[in-house]
Amino acid sequence: EIVLTQSPGTLSLSPGERATLSCRASQSVSSSYLAWYQQKPGQAPRLLIYGAASRATGIPDRFSGSGSGTDFTLTISRLEPEDFAVYYCQQYGSSLTFGGGTKVQIK
Amino acid sequence: EVQLLESGGGLVQPGGSLRLSCAASGFTFNNYAMIWVRQAPGKGLEWVSAITGSGDSTDYADSVKGRFSIARDNSKNTLYLQMDSLRAEDTAVYYCARSRRMTTVTTDSFDIWGQGTMVTVSS
Repeated sequence: EIVLTQSPGTLSLSPGERATLSCRASQSVSSSYLAWYQQKPGQAPRLLIYGAASRATGIPDRFSGSGSGTDFTLTISRLEPEDFAVYYCQQYGSSLTFGGGTKVQIK
Repeated sequence: EVQLLESGGGLVQPGGSLRLSCAASGFTFNNYAMIWVRQAPGKGLEWVSAITGSGDSTDYADSVKGRFSIARDNSKNTLYLQMDSLRAEDTAVYYCARSRRMTTVTTDSFDIWGQGTMVTVSS
């Protein structure tokens, strides 16, 4: 089983700042089959990024994904008020697993 | 409108059983893999089970293997999760979700999610 470790656990930033979230896999994720989701309280997850770097339909271009192998990054270029949420990575190169999440909160 | 609607959650005693349903609409159901994901109160997402569009292949997390069973009825556009031998640690909101691609495998990202149904295992 591929274990995904997300860091930091919590990120405290102000609107307009840049957010950089990390997802590290215990073994290489084949074909960069890595996705990122956003979840707000009381809501279902929302797909942001698939294939490590492709934005899902309707996702603003301030969200970008990068990485390969075992190290992946989600970057939010300039935080909007609606971006404060919890973010999860998910790998689908070998079965399915989710990371533990990173909470992006207002500083 | 593409939509998933879960039902069947509730309160059940330890050792009991429950069957969750996920009704799909707005897309060709049998073209997509489907999964169940759960979220314990205040915790992160945990993948539970997956099934291919045809239903010929399934996969389970180790934590539920042998106790839970995923199935689908493509004639009814409905996904199921049969949960047996329930434990307190199975208490969670259960979400169903659809694969982003029309695919014959269970491994994908998931772009359509239901609103979730709460399962509470307690005496």
